[in-house]
Amino acid sequence: NAGVTQTPKFRILKIGQSMTLQCTQDMNHNYMYWYRQDPGMGLKLIYYSVGAGITDKGEVPNGYNVSRSTTEDFPLRLELAAPSQTSVYFCAVNGGVDTQYFGPGTRLTVL
Amino acid sequence: AQKVTQAQTEISVVEKEDVTLDCVYETRDTTYYLFWYKQPPSGELVFLIRRNSFDEQNEISGRYSWNFQKSTSSFNFTITASQVVDSAVYFCALSEAVYGQNFVFGPGTRLSVLP
Repeated sequence: NAGVTQTPKFRILKIGQSMTLQCTQDMNHNYMYWYRQDPGMGLKLIYYSVGAGITDKGEVPNGYNVSRSTTEDFPLRLELAAPSQTSVYFCAVNGGVDTQYFGPGTRLTVL
Repeated sequence: AQKVTQAQTEISVVEKEDVTLDCVYETRDTTYYLFWYKQPPSGELVFLIRRNSFDEQNEISGRYSWNFQKSTSSFNFTITASQVVDSAVYFCALSEAVYGQNFVFGPGTRLSVLP
């Protein structure tokens, strides 16, 4: 997964706390995505961005916010953490139409 | 609405056997894109293939092959001569947008290849 980095790798939050999941790419691609993966399930798209300054909602955006001020960075913000947001979060980048690169994931637990 | 079904929750095979993972999709669009991903036990996600709805040619990449049939809305994935390293969860996904802005993932099939 060279090229897409995510921090932190693990995090435990208390209900109501806030945090930002970081995603950075060094491949200079425009399309970036945030997904969540609940245990035993496939991925669900939270937000995506088609370039700096442009973001849009995916399938499950409630409880999250994003920004894209640069091509490289696409942070995901949780404002008021809830137990339902316990999940593994993946950032992804499109490297052209025929390939996609994923970050290593952030495992988040909300207690 | 889009939907992806992977009816096989778990499959176990012995090394060197061939195995086919099924994927059935639903969409109203005539233009769409189908994907397969691999998630090994380490948890990372690996992109395997993207196929658009206008290209029904089968694809082969080493021991991997994909069979796309619009008539049955299926995009099946076959691993020939399976190896232990193929053990993973495999996800099929559908998008109606060229860059996958509105992905729908299937629930995944867990493949265990036994030595």
